[in-house]
Amino acid sequence: AQTVTQSQPEMSVQEAETVTLSCTYDTSESNYYLFWYKQPPSRQMILVIRQEAYKQQNATENRFSVNFQKAAKSFSLKISDSQLGDTAMYFCAFMAGNTGKLIFGQGTTLQVKP
Amino acid sequence: EPEVTQTPSHQVTQMGQEVILRCVPISNHLYFYWYRQILGQKVEFLVSFYNNEISEKSEIFDDQFSVERPDGSNFTLKIRSTKLEDSAMYFCASRLDRGTYEQYFGPGTRLTVT
Repeated sequence: AQTVTQSQPEMSVQEAETVTLSCTYDTSESNYYLFWYKQPPSRQMILVIRQEAYKQQNATENRFSVNFQKAAKSFSLKISDSQLGDTAMYFCAFMAGNTGKLIFGQGTTLQVKP
Repeated sequence: EPEVTQTPSHQVTQMGQEVILRCVPISNHLYFYWYRQILGQKVEFLVSFYNNEISEKSEIFDDQFSVERPDGSNFTLKIRSTKLEDSAMYFCASRLDRGTYEQYFGPGTRLTVT
């Protein structure tokens, strides 16, 4: 069975600074995908970034980038130039193959302070 | 931009009552999902649905739960006899096809069982 672990329940960062959220996972699958979802206070889940396991290059989306360490089964999210609107719960998620079933971590609450 | 919608946004029901949560996935999407999030906890997979059949279901999705796509646009989750522990946020998600990986989430329905 696959598991996803986020060991940081809460984090805070000053506006304009950089923060890194950690995620580790466990799987025996060779074909899988990893995601970071953002859940603001409105509670709607929004996809932030995606990484295909077969790609060595780390995904980036504007201020968001990942550090994907496949051997270590680690998938951290870096947010650069943090903005107040980044305040939210962030979930790391795993999907085996293209099953569509997402397995989520426990989440990290990020507070961006002015 | 197309989006997944869910109704109602908040449902209050008494223990033992039946509830139906409604979702309208994005119109050309083929895969549909329900997830739930008990307050303060992680998001959990309930069920996936494709071609008018359940593709996969979790241990949570017992005989009290059912899903249906009654008219080609709505996707419903029915809980036959609600329990206090069914109180949670229920999210619907849809995915375009087997070759895509992004799931688009609805805003959720908060179910409160009293």
